[in-house]
Amino acid sequence: DVKVTQSSRYLVKRTGEKVFLECVQDMDHENMFWYRQDPGLGLRLIYFSYDVKMKEKGDIPEGYSVSREKKERFSLILESASTNQTSMYLCASSAEGTYNEKLFFGSGTQLSVL
Amino acid sequence: AQTVTQSQPEMSVQEAETVTLSCTYDTSENNYYLFWYKQPPSRQMILVIRQEAYKQQNATENRFSVNFQKAAKSFSLKISDSQLGDTAMYFCAFTPLIQGAQKLVFGQGTRLTINP
Repeated sequence: DVKVTQSSRYLVKRTGEKVFLECVQDMDHENMFWYRQDPGLGLRLIYFSYDVKMKEKGDIPEGYSVSREKKERFSLILESASTNQTSMYLCASSAEGTYNEKLFFGSGTQLSVL
Repeated sequence: AQTVTQSQPEMSVQEAETVTLSCTYDTSENNYYLFWYKQPPSRQMILVIRQEAYKQQNATENRFSVNFQKAAKSFSLKISDSQLGDTAMYFCAFTPLIQGAQKLVFGQGTRLTINP
């Protein structure tokens, strides 16, 4: 069964900490995405990557960075966590191809920044 | 900027009833794809159904069907014979056909509860 795995289901961090959220997919997908999900706002794209070492900003990249050193792994980095980054973070991947390729999602990381 | 609007934050129906979730979008693009994703309490997002904008025929997947009105920029989801397992958040999403990976724009979501 295909899988997108996020390293933590729940995470609690302090303001100012550097936070790493890890995502691994086992489907040899080219495309990987990071979204944040907030009530009433839906999902918003933070960053995406369509190849190893390639990355592009999404709609809300401020305060975040990403790393993709290997095809299967896409990391989201909060350089200095702030309380307004408390949110659900969802990782997704998709195969290269037509634009109706479906996204495969992880189960999310609920991050609380105190 | 492309936007997707789901005007119903919450809906509740009885098991076996039919329910329709609404979605409107705004874009100047002519070619794009539309999706409905489901997020059950497990938080795992699952694709329910997808529609290519150039196809006039509405997509169907078993009990799930869409009413796609391109001129009105409307993309509603109909669930027939609803089941308890349909209880979930439902997100409408849109992606234009632009270079590179698809960049989905999601609506705010509708929380659907199916009551026994």
